[in-house]
Amino acid sequence: QVQLQESGPGLVKPSETLSLTCAVSGGSVSSGTYYWTWIRQPPGKGLEWIGNIYYSGSTNYNPSLKSRLTISVDTSKNHFSLKLSSVTAADTAVYYCARDALTMIDRWGQGTLVTVSS
Amino acid sequence: NFMLTQPHSVSESPGKTVTISCTRSSGSIASNYVQWYQRRPGSAPTTVIYNDNQRPSGVPDRFSGSIDSSSNSASLIISGLKTEDEADYYCHSYDNTNQVFGGGTKLTVL
Repeated sequence: QVQLQESGPGLVKPSETLSLTCAVSGGSVSSGTYYWTWIRQPPGKGLEWIGNIYYSGSTNYNPSLKSRLTISVDTSKNHFSLKLSSVTAADTAVYYCARDALTMIDRWGQGTLVTVSS
Repeated sequence: NFMLTQPHSVSESPGKTVTISCTRSSGSIASNYVQWYQRRPGSAPTTVIYNDNQRPSGVPDRFSGSIDSSSNSASLIISGLKTEDEADYYCHSYDNTNQVFGGGTKLTVL
């Protein structure tokens, strides 16, 4: 059973870079069947798709975040990562990593709360 | 970019049927598959419908999905409501390389 686990700082200062990693266990990020995805949910709001990455390194980004966003994959460590620069309070959210099987998002991490505050 | 619009909340009694709508703002609802996710408080989302109307294994057949090109919308239908169905439901679709979630609908079973 594939499991995903987010890790990273729970508090980030405004204007700094938010960095999160998603460790994949029970499966491989090198599988050509899936896209590895980041999704977030601000407090009291709905889900927002951030972007995804294929094992080859090919990425797709939400146009509203693209200028600040980098998603990368490390096949040797079997994990993928998110970097969001120049954060503001609007970036405060629960961040989920997930596996996109193209027909559906079929595995989710438990989510990690990231608060942007000085 | 397109948007998916859902009602903020719906409520219904146990045993009844409820329909949650999801309207696409631009582009055809039929051009890209729609998924539906259930999120209970404190838990990660799970898929209840994929590819417009398919159920993952383990999802009861009380859950069904459909699309309507005339209204450019998708629907999640839950019949025989149970208190355990109380949750937030999100529709999800995509175009080219972008993906979009609806704003979510809070289902109350009372």
